[in-house]
Amino acid sequence: QVQLVQSGGGLVEPGGSLRLSCAASGFIFGDYYMSWIRQAPGKGLEWVSCISSTSSYTKYEDSVKGRFTISRDNAKNLLYLQMNSLRAEDTAVYYCAKGLEYLAYWGQGTLVTVSS
Amino acid sequence: DIVVTQSPLSLPVTPGESASISCRSSQSLLRSNGYNYLDWYLQKPGQSPQLLIYLASNRASGVPDRFSGSGSGTDFTLKITKVEAEDVGVYYCMQGLQPPYTFGQGTKLEIK
Repeated sequence: QVQLVQSGGGLVEPGGSLRLSCAASGFIFGDYYMSWIRQAPGKGLEWVSCISSTSSYTKYEDSVKGRFTISRDNAKNLLYLQMNSLRAEDTAVYYCAKGLEYLAYWGQGTLVTVSS
Repeated sequence: DIVVTQSPLSLPVTPGESASISCRSSQSLLRSNGYNYLDWYLQKPGQSPQLLIYLASNRASGVPDRFSGSGSGTDFTLKITKVEAEDVGVYYCMQGLQPPYTFGQGTKLEIK
């Protein structure tokens, strides 16, 4: 069965960095687009970024462009989100998800808190 | 960016009755391939979102046939027949036509 297991969240000070990971299993990881979505406390869902199967195509939501970098390692079935210059408004639960135009499977989510 | 607007934002439902949620987009989600790029997700309390309906009307694997999606262009509807207690949560629509992919505000379904 498809599984997406996330790691890497935590508390970080404003301006700091954090890298999220998403370990995929149960499907041919290298065949699929992958996405990151976030949810601020008590708020709705916000799409953050996506990456093509070969990493040739990436896209970002405007507020994270230039600060976040999505990447993947198809040999290790891993998806990453490198987050730099973090701001208080980046505080959220971050989800990885399989797919692009529709998100068929989601990870369990990992909380990122940006606070001094 | 495409704006997606859901209504209502709160939906109290008696068990066994039907419920409908509307989703409207600021531009057509119909692509030249004939598919409408609109999806529906349910986030149950304390859980990750789960895909219910993709490409406007296709039920995801394992989703009961009580859930159905319809619509085309800019107007879409999620219908739930014979609502059960396990259907509580927040329902989101999402446009998958072009990035940035955008979600509706969410509709909270509760049992009366």
